[in-house]
Amino acid sequence: GAGVSQSPSNKVTEKGKDVELRCDPISGHTALYWYRQSLGQGLEFLIYFQGNSAPDKSGLPSDRFSAERTGGSVSTLTIQRTQQEDSAVYLCASSLLRASGGAVETQYFGPGTRLLVL
Amino acid sequence: KQEVTQIPAALSVPEGENLVLNCSFTDSAIYNLQWFRQDPGKGLTSLLLIQSSQREQTSGRLNASLDKSSGRSTLYIAASQPGDSATYLCASKGAGGTSYGKLTFGQGTILTVHP
Repeated sequence: GAGVSQSPSNKVTEKGKDVELRCDPISGHTALYWYRQSLGQGLEFLIYFQGNSAPDKSGLPSDRFSAERTGGSVSTLTIQRTQQEDSAVYLCASSLLRASGGAVETQYFGPGTRLLVL
Repeated sequence: KQEVTQIPAALSVPEGENLVLNCSFTDSAIYNLQWFRQDPGKGLTSLLLIQSSQREQTSGRLNASLDKSSGRSTLYIAASQPGDSATYLCASKGAGGTSYGKLTFGQGTILTVHP
């Protein structure tokens, strides 16, 4: 596809359940980012992947959160034992190259997954 | 730690008016600064990206400026239209310390342009 896609678009789950959120970046983009947007809060960085380098996990809020990127393309964000405070919109973005240099830095965002934990 | 602040939090203007959105950041060690718009229930759309060595970028009716030394960026929208109504977010990409390589976002400015 032409843009970043995410699935599901909406997810309602019960407290304590595990959820998986999927991101398909733009083909050929080497960098992939996950962000969280909570109600009334700004966008919060979670994790990013760049090529074959070890991911930067410094934004993950707890060890219940983890992410993988298989084959340098699709990424899955997993939240274990969900809590109500995990309710948010989870946004994925990709960019061509995480290095200095103009338009290649631009991050393109997917539509997000709206997660509601009851 | 980088902090990004946007003023005003909300802005309502009549169609045709020129307007300025403000963004300030505390750490001048940035690679670039990016402006996005977010429509309700949608993801973010990149509008303009200014590298740290640049002073401004223009795209159509949009002009973004960057003054790294003072930690400020502005987004100027000329001849506003109802279709410009959205939330506008600025984000800086860190060049050092704990912010290295990461985008730090402001809280956004909610813009409403009424006919």
